[in-house]
Amino acid sequence: ILNVEQSPQSLHVQEGDSTNFTCSFPSSNFYALHWYRWETAKSPEALFVMTLNGDEKKKGRISATLNTKEGYSYLYIKGSQPEDSATYLCAFLDSNYQLIWGAGTKLIIKP
Amino acid sequence: GAVVSQHPSWVICKSGTSVKIECRSLDFQATTMFWYRQFPKQSLMLMATSNEGSKATYEQGVEKDKFLINHASLTLSTLTVTSAHPEDSSFYICSAPRGRGHRQPQHFGDGTRLSIL
Repeated sequence: ILNVEQSPQSLHVQEGDSTNFTCSFPSSNFYALHWYRWETAKSPEALFVMTLNGDEKKKGRISATLNTKEGYSYLYIKGSQPEDSATYLCAFLDSNYQLIWGAGTKLIIKP
Repeated sequence: GAVVSQHPSWVICKSGTSVKIECRSLDFQATTMFWYRQFPKQSLMLMATSNEGSKATYEQGVEKDKFLINHASLTLSTLTVTSAHPEDSSFYICSAPRGRGHRQPQHFGDGTRLSIL
């Protein structure tokens, strides 16, 4: 059974602080890892598609790293702002092109 | 702007009614679309893969006669919840990859909240 786990389930962070959270996925049959941001009352929006072990991607204050050998990816947010409040989802794409979703990390930024 | 449109966004109806949800790709062609369901406080659960011009592929445990999927054109997939009952109440959302290749990120509709009385 393929399992994708995200931790923590929820996170409260003071505005201005930096934070990070984890997506764990199977270390075999890796094809790609997706990160999405899902804000309340909006649809999920793609942040990153990561494909290579050791990859690091950045979009503004948000960055992500990938370790396919050990099966994890970290998402980092530097200097959190209220607009970063959202649920962050990761999805593992295996070599059979099956996309498996994590349960998400709900991030709340406290002003 | 939105690249995938989903309609309706909210449906409340009586038990036994069939409900059709539409998912449209707005400025690209989508040979494949995905339908998900989200239970409260849980993640997205893939229900089925909608394939243009052929039968949908359903995930294990999803009743194909209950959740009818039609992908009649390159820009439209529909999900019909037939004879809906209160246990079918949920949040349903569709997505489509824009561009070729399985690594393409998904573009999502805004979702449909279905409440069966």
